[in-house]
Formats: sequence, structure tokens, C-alpha cells
Amino acid sequence: EAQVTQNPRYLITVTGKKLTVTCSQNMNHEYMSWYRQDPGLGLRQIYYSMNVEVTDKGDVPEGYKVSRKEKRNFPLILESPSPNQTSLYFCASSLWGGESSPLHFGNGTRLTVT
Amino acid sequence: QQQVKQSPQSLIVQKGGISIINCAYENTAFDYFPWYQQFPGKGPALLIAIRPDVSEKKEGRFTISFNKSAKQFSLHIMDSQPGDSATYFCAAGWGNQFYFGTGTSLTVIP
Repeated sequence: EAQVTQNPRYLITVTGKKLTVTCSQNMNHEYMSWYRQDPGLGLRQIYYSMNVEVTDKGDVPEGYKVSRKEKRNFPLILESPSPNQTSLYFCASSLWGGESSPLHFGNGTRLTVT
Repeated sequence: QQQVKQSPQSLIVQKGGISIINCAYENTAFDYFPWYQQFPGKGPALLIAIRPDVSEKKEGRFTISFNKSAKQFSLHIMDSQPGDSATYFCAAGWGNQFYFGTGTSLTVIP
């Protein structure tokens, strides 16, 4: 089954404790991206990657890091989480090409930072 | 700055009625306008999408109306059903970069 898999689904942590949220896709998509979803703000892009070793900032990159060492994986790293990073996070992937193609989303990771 | 403005924030419709959600954008470089449907505990899933060379696209009970000159597009759900109760996001983008609206929570009352 074609899918984007995120882990964990729920995560509660304390301020300053480094964490990683994993994302993996099995569709051989070149493009991967991270979004955060907050009430009243919709989905905002954190980082994206157009292929292996190619990453770039989205609209809200502060406090986050990413890496793309393999085509299928795109982990999101919070080096020193803060309470304002409490949110619902989504990883997404799509084909990369000249014409826009739809995003395929994972089921989300709900992060709480206390 | 919100690249895509979506309204209303919430919508309650009777079963069998028509649900209408509106979006507006500013950037004329956008060339792809998808709508996503999200159920609780799930990620958004593509519902229907349109490109700016057509004014309307219909898939079953779902229709996108697109007005290029006004830079507006809308989702119409005909014969709304309780199973349509979800959050709907419009988006606009080019290439792989998308900007999302703030979402509309739709409740269809039996």
C-alpha cells in the first residue's frame, strides 16, 4: 500500500530535550515536506526537500532541522524543543516534476512540549 | 501574510443540502488548486483539484468553481451527507510549493 508513515503518533516531552520525528514514504517520491497544523492557522510548511541531500526552508523553519540522506526518509529534528512547538505535525510527499502534483500526507504526530 | 484566505471557518449544513467553501489568493503564479479533506486523527487527503485553464471541475458530488479574474475558487458539495463531516483545506501552489487556507470545519446534520 502506498503510504507516508510517521512515528511516533503522539509525543510528550519537556523543554530542551532533543527529539526526532521520523517520516518514511514507499512511493519513490522525490519531494518531501514537513508541515505543522495549528488551530486557525491551517497548515504551514516547515522544511522541504526536492531530493536526497537537497533541503530548504519553508515558512516557519525556526527551531527545526531536517536531513535527507535517503530518498524514502525525511526526519524532523527539534534540537531544543520549546512549548510554542506544541502542535500537530504532518509529513507529506509528492512526485517532483514540471507540473504540480498532489501531496500525500502521513497521519500526523501530535507533539506536546511542557 | 496569508497567501490563501479561506471562509467560512465553520459550516453546519443539513443532510441533503449544499455546502460551499470559498478561497481567495493573490499570487497569479499559482497553477494548481487542490482541496484536501481531513478526518479526525488522519492526515489531509486530496479530494479534488483544478488547474487555472478550466472554470469548473466536477467529481461526483464535489465541484470546484474557479474564477481566474477574481482570483477565487470554491468547493461545492452537493447532497451533503453526514460522512462528509470533516475539515476541508483549500490550497494553491506551483511546482511542489503549496500554501494552505486555514481550514473549514464542516458538520452535516442528519
